[in-house]
Amino acid sequence: QSVLTQPPSVSAAPGQKVTISCSGSNSNIGSNFVSWYQQLPGTAPKLLIYENNKRPSLIPDRFSGSKSGTSATLGITGLQTGDEADYYCGTWDDSLRPGHVVFGGGTKLTVL
Amino acid sequence: QVQLVESGGGLVKPGGSLRLSCAASGFTFTDYFMSWIRQAPGKGLEWISYISGSGSTVFYADSVKGRFTVSRDNAKKSQYLQMSSLRAEDTAVYFCARGSSLADYWGQGTQVTVSS
Repeated sequence: QSVLTQPPSVSAAPGQKVTISCSGSNSNIGSNFVSWYQQLPGTAPKLLIYENNKRPSLIPDRFSGSKSGTSATLGITGLQTGDEADYYCGTWDDSLRPGHVVFGGGTKLTVL
Repeated sequence: QVQLVESGGGLVKPGGSLRLSCAASGFTFTDYFMSWIRQAPGKGLEWISYISGSGSTVFYADSVKGRFTVSRDNAKKSQYLQMSSLRAEDTAVYFCARGSSLADYWGQGTQVTVSS
């Protein structure tokens, strides 16, 4: 049972838009930055979004992030078959001292 | 460019020990926290430890506390994960990552299998 809650799967057609939600609490998302990671099949995770809505260089602007209260959302527009992957949200949790990192359970994106 | 290369994984019997290494390059190693994150087969990501740049601050997830020890050698630009009293549920791919709350670079991972 993950601390952060994500839908197990989402799907959309090529060219369409999809959003992936990540729900937490005041001790994690509500008071800390959220990151998003993409894990293509058989590979290591890669940072996609940091500080809620910032993209590392080389990450296309088709990927976007937002946060409101204790929830965060990853948006992907212009879906491509190469976007099929597992997506994870992650953030700091202050409920323990010292703080620690928590992840969502992951969302599998299928591009139909 | 930033590179993280893990090594040391393998097959070990329950109750056994293993030491993972992560060699870093392409950045000032002492400037960064480093983390270990694992992924059990078919499961999601589980962060298990971090260590500060000086090595003075370490933290562990409850699932490994008392059994795993993280360390680093800044002269060798490496971090290590000493794993003992291994259990079947420790079977996973173990990733080395740069950062603590934000893991901006990841290694390719090393497989650890605990089985008799």
